[in-house]
Amino acid sequence: DIQMTQSPSSLSASVGDRVTITCRASQSISSYLNWYQQIPGKAPKLLILAASSLQSGVPSRFSGSESGTDFTLTISSLQPEDFATYYCQQSYSAPYTFGQGTKLEIK
Amino acid sequence: QVQLQESGPGLVKPSGTLSLTCAVSGVSISSSYWWSWLRQPPGKGLEWIGEISHSGSTNYNPSLRSQITISVDKSNNQFSLKLSSVTAADTAVYYCARAVFTTGWGYYFDYWGQGTLVTVSS
Repeated sequence: DIQMTQSPSSLSASVGDRVTITCRASQSISSYLNWYQQIPGKAPKLLILAASSLQSGVPSRFSGSESGTDFTLTISSLQPEDFATYYCQQSYSAPYTFGQGTKLEIK
Repeated sequence: QVQLQESGPGLVKPSGTLSLTCAVSGVSISSSYWWSWLRQPPGKGLEWIGEISHSGSTNYNPSLRSQITISVDKSNNQFSLKLSSVTAADTAVYYCARAVFTTGWGYYFDYWGQGTLVTVSS
């Protein structure tokens, strides 16, 4: 199975901050990397597909990038509704695996 | 709009079989998507369980393959999960989701059910 490792596991930030979350794949996955946001008690929501494509309806403050097997989710200016847990997911090969999550908390 | 809704018992006894159904609305289950099951143990991350295509092809997570059966009911526009020989480790919120595969964009889960908590306990 392809292992996905996210860092950091948790992050404290303030409204208006720029934050970056990283996800590293254990092998090459091309650009087959998706990002999800999960608010407590809710289902995950797709934010970014194929490493850098914004899902329809997702605010433009979210962006994704890649460098080799490292992938980054950036939120340019945190809003109150962005405090949640974020997961990366590789779609290169089954079983489709997720990172362990990054919990973004209010400072 | 597309909606998915899980249903099934919230409590299953150890060694029993967990059975869940996902009712799909707003899209035909015969459309060219993959219909998936995922789970999330309390306080933990997400795990992909398996999927079924509109034509009935299945893919299962090898770690669970011996326990899983996923089936589709086209007449009722729904699909189901059966997980046998459950233990406390199978306690989780179970989600159904629609998976899209597009050349160039890969494979992603774009619509999810709200999730249902299944507890394995005697």
